[in-house]
Amino acid sequence: QVHLEESGGGVVRPGGSLRLSCPASGFVFGSFGMHWLRQSPGKGLEWLSFINYDGSKTYYRDSVRGRFTISRDNAKNTLYLQLSSLRIDDTAMYYCAKAPNAGGYFHFWGQGTLVTVSS
Amino acid sequence: EIVLTQSPGTLSLSPGERATLSCRASQTINSIHLAWYQKKPGQGPRLLIYAASSRATGIPDRFSGSGSGTDFTLTINRLEPEDFAIYYCQQYGGSPSFTFGPGTKIDIK
Repeated sequence: QVHLEESGGGVVRPGGSLRLSCPASGFVFGSFGMHWLRQSPGKGLEWLSFINYDGSKTYYRDSVRGRFTISRDNAKNTLYLQLSSLRIDDTAMYYCAKAPNAGGYFHFWGQGTLVTVSS
Repeated sequence: EIVLTQSPGTLSLSPGERATLSCRASQTINSIHLAWYQKKPGQGPRLLIYAASSRATGIPDRFSGSGSGTDFTLTINRLEPEDFAIYYCQQYGGSPSFTFGPGTKIDIK
């Protein structure tokens, strides 16, 4: 079955950086697009970024474009999200999610990794 | 950006009862771009319904979705103990752009 497991979260100062990882199993990773999303008490669920199956196309929500970078290593079946210039309102649980073959929804999600930005 | 509103905020029901959850969009959306998720504490969201009315793999048939235009409904027949959770609707607006509703919590009466 599909398994996604985020890691790399932690406590970081404003302006700091973190790299989140999401190793995947149970499906042909290199054949599917992948997403990052987050959930915070103040803003609910937010889509952050998408990367297509081979990493040639990436998309971001406006509030994170230029600060966050999505990438993937298909040889390692792993998705990444580099977080930089972190702000207090980036505090959230971060999730990776598998895209379906077609359609604008999130097929499978990991359990999340918590990022806390605090001075 | 399309805004999704969910009602009620909280639904207090007993096992065996039917739950009817509403999701209203600020503009007409294509039904194929409307999904529903279940969220339990400590877990990632679980896809229940996509394209407004198609059940995801492994989802029991007591879960059903309906609606079109701006009004969509998730119905859970005969609530089981494991169904007490928070439910979110989500729409895809192209570009890409995705938005979620604020959620409806079903708790035990």
